[in-house]
Amino acid sequence: DTGVSQDPRHKITKRGQNVTFRCDPISEHNRLYWYRQTLGQGPEFLTYFQNEAQLEKSRLLSDRFSAERPKGSFSTLEIQRTEQGDSAMYLCASSVTGGAGGYTFGSGTRLTVV
Amino acid sequence: KNQVEQSPQSLIILEGKNCTLQCNYTVSPFSNLRWYKQDTGRGPVSLTIMTFSENTKSNGRYTATLDADTKQSSLHITASQLSDSASYICVVSLPYGNNRLAFGKGNQVVVIP
Repeated sequence: DTGVSQDPRHKITKRGQNVTFRCDPISEHNRLYWYRQTLGQGPEFLTYFQNEAQLEKSRLLSDRFSAERPKGSFSTLEIQRTEQGDSAMYLCASSVTGGAGGYTFGSGTRLTVV
Repeated sequence: KNQVEQSPQSLIILEGKNCTLQCNYTVSPFSNLRWYKQDTGRGPVSLTIMTFSENTKSNGRYTATLDADTKQSSLHITASQLSDSASYICVVSLPYGNNRLAFGKGNQVVVIP
């Protein structure tokens, strides 16, 4: 197992286009989190899953954002009708339930909306 | 007000010197406090994890301390190397059972030769 994988690493898109990111967590981790990080800021929570259930969504997650984890393994984050303000690093992390130790981040997807 | 505040926001240090980064938090109680290192354009990588009952934790040249009474933590970097140039993020695990984290904005460290 190579940790949390995110794809793509970088994405440049035109305003108004839809984009989809993928996250593959550590296989034995049942929890998966999405964060957004802008320059000079810490990551901001977007949403998290326990297995396939999406248990919490931040108010930052507007109607244009949707996340899925259909089989409780990999997850996708889709942004519809992208705006320039969506430009950020999108981080995925995974952990086990009550995981005081194992909370692992992926390398992120850098989105640039032009 | 952010639940986790870090200082200084940024600092420049000479290679080989030591430095200490500060983290003040308001979350109480909490299950653990973590320090992450984040290289530019990369995801955060865990350096140390401390429960509320631990006072110190080391990982190589990185030593984290925790004072639960004053709600302060520090990260000390010994004999800095150029590769230590990164953002160091203090993270507090919220006690809500969902493993949510409260992040500081990070200390940006630049090590120069």
